[in-house]
Amino acid sequence: KNEVEQSPQNLTAQEGEFITINCSYSVGISALHWLQQHPGGGIVSLFMLSSGKKKHGRLIATINIQEKHSSLHITASHPRDSAVYICAVTQGGSEKLVFGKGTKLTVNP
Amino acid sequence: EPEVTQTPSHQVTQMGQEVILRCVPISNHLYFYWYRQILGQKVEFLVSFYNNEISEKSEIFDDQFSVERPDGSNFTLKIRSTKLEDSAMYFCASIGVYNEKLFFGSGTQLSVL
Repeated sequence: KNEVEQSPQNLTAQEGEFITINCSYSVGISALHWLQQHPGGGIVSLFMLSSGKKKHGRLIATINIQEKHSSLHITASHPRDSAVYICAVTQGGSEKLVFGKGTKLTVNP
Repeated sequence: EPEVTQTPSHQVTQMGQEVILRCVPISNHLYFYWYRQILGQKVEFLVSFYNNEISEKSEIFDDQFSVERPDGSNFTLKIRSTKLEDSAMYFCASIGVYNEKLFFGSGTQLSVL
């Protein structure tokens, strides 16, 4: 069974700051997803990674397979980035996503 | 951008009643999922569905739960006899064969009284 741990649980930043959210998992995976959950509850997929690094706008996601660790970075953070960011993984042979508890990000103007 | 549509957005029901939660996945997607999130907890996997059959299910998905794709567009989750602990936000999701992105619906908030 894969355990997915995220840190920090809560993060408050000032607008413009560089944000890093971390995710570690206990068992080898086939893919890792970063998701964003808005206050209304809706979930949006940001990235799916199996190796290396991906970038989309101000968001960057990296993964280190050997260390079983991934990071999500937000450059030049903005109040509209305020949301819960969730890491989730799939293991080989299984389609189900195993979710972390999420990191609640608040960006103040 | 294409959307996964879920209805209703809120459902209130009495314990023991049957509920059907409805989802319209993205039209060319082939893999469909139901997840749920109890208030304040992690999102949990319920079931995956491919080629008109269940491909994987969790321990939560017991005999009280069933899924169906009654036509080419809808994907439903039925709970036969709801319990208080079934109260949660239920999310439908879909993904295509070559698509890296998993699309979630906006969820159905189920409240069992």
